[in-house]
Amino acid sequence: NAGVIQTPRHKVTGKGQEATLWCEPISGHSAVFWYRQTIVQGLEFLTYFRNQAPIDDSGMPKERFSAQMPNQSHSTLKIQSTQPQDSAVYLCASSRDNNNQAPLFGEGTRLSVL
Amino acid sequence: GDSVTQTEGLVTLTEGLPVMLNCTYQTAYSTFLFWYVQHLNEAPKLLLKSSTDNKRTEHQGFHATLHKSSSSFHLQKSSAQLSDSALYYCALSEGYAQGLTFGLGTRVSVFP
Repeated sequence: NAGVIQTPRHKVTGKGQEATLWCEPISGHSAVFWYRQTIVQGLEFLTYFRNQAPIDDSGMPKERFSAQMPNQSHSTLKIQSTQPQDSAVYLCASSRDNNNQAPLFGEGTRLSVL
Repeated sequence: GDSVTQTEGLVTLTEGLPVMLNCTYQTAYSTFLFWYVQHLNEAPKLLLKSSTDNKRTEHQGFHATLHKSSSSFHLQKSSAQLSDSALYYCALSEGYAQGLTFGLGTRVSVFP
């Protein structure tokens, strides 16, 4: 059974460019989460979806960041006008929607903004 | 809001010695606690999970007991191995399908 798949693994953008990160959750998992990982802040919650519906986006920066889940097989995190401080590893996780499953993570996308 | 505190940023120890990583939390809701381990350039992987007060949970030689009275979920291993060198995160959730709140992580380095 394939795990959470994130593409690309590495992305380099210039300041001001747009970056789109992709996540394919594990088949059958109804909850999808996005996190950002930096050395200073550790793992920060960004947003999550349940059955494709946005549930909580309290961790998303108010500007330039958006996330969507157009179907059950993928979610995207889009960052407009990227800035150097957006450089981080962006992690996607998914889980079943019941009380016996913890989120399982993908390997992440390392975003470098030059 | 919810918060998780891991007091050690870095733990270095010699192979074969015991290791304990501290984790305390604050939440006003039902409590689900997790430990994740992340090796270099890999995804965080679930190590342990618990929602039952005072019950020891074990996996891969590690163990932890959730103590709601002290809001703690410390991770322990009796004998560290070189392969245990990694980043360890304690995390809290209000439910298994809810977003996780992570501590800042503890980096463990085990030396021969």
